[in-house]
Amino acid sequence: IQLTQSPAFLSASVGDRVTITCRASQDISSFFAWYQQKPGKAPNLLIFDASTLQSGVPSRFSGSGSGTEFTLTISSLQPEDFATYYCQHLHSYPITFGQGTRLEIK
Amino acid sequence: QVQLQESGPGLVKPSQTLSLTCAVSGDSISRGSWSWSWIRQPAGKGLEWIGRIYTSGSTNYNPPLKSRVTISLDTSKNQFSLRLTSVTATDTAVYYCAREKYSRAWYADSWGQGTLVTVSS
Repeated sequence: IQLTQSPAFLSASVGDRVTITCRASQDISSFFAWYQQKPGKAPNLLIFDASTLQSGVPSRFSGSGSGTEFTLTISSLQPEDFATYYCQHLHSYPITFGQGTRLEIK
Repeated sequence: QVQLQESGPGLVKPSQTLSLTCAVSGDSISRGSWSWSWIRQPAGKGLEWIGRIYTSGSTNYNPPLKSRVTISLDTSKNQFSLRLTSVTATDTAVYYCAREKYSRAWYADSWGQGTLVTVSS
């Protein structure tokens, strides 16, 4: 199962609302997660089961979708949100990640 | 608060075996609530899931790596390990260990800081 994230690169300003999309090559139901990774750090789980917010993650992050199309939305960008975001499916083996979306400050 | 710490050689020669350990503190690896996994990331590239081990000792591996990978538990030391045989330069990456929690699937909710392994002669 291939995951295709878009865009690969996103430039935005503090306070903006941004959406990142991940498309799966086949139906993966809601066996799906989003991670945030900052340079030199391990990824951090944001969303699991496609739309459930991980404990401790700010409510400005939200996830939606099922089947083959998923979105991560950040309602109002904060300075600490500039990072790379990865999607992941866990429907079947091999478990794979998307190629990443790099979110940078405009 | 669980903490995970990877350790092992930072340099491995081609064709040899890469061996890493993940020490877990703040939780017991024997607790059935979790599974334990390895993920890697080549420099400047994306994430690749390697495999996981359940507290029962059963494992799942990424099919392309399955013939070369072994993940094991050491409950006496509260740690788990990764062995990757016959390494090549393409196995050069930062290797992360992670704890996974279950909710319809197993999700990596706590990660180690990662350790860089370079395959070179």
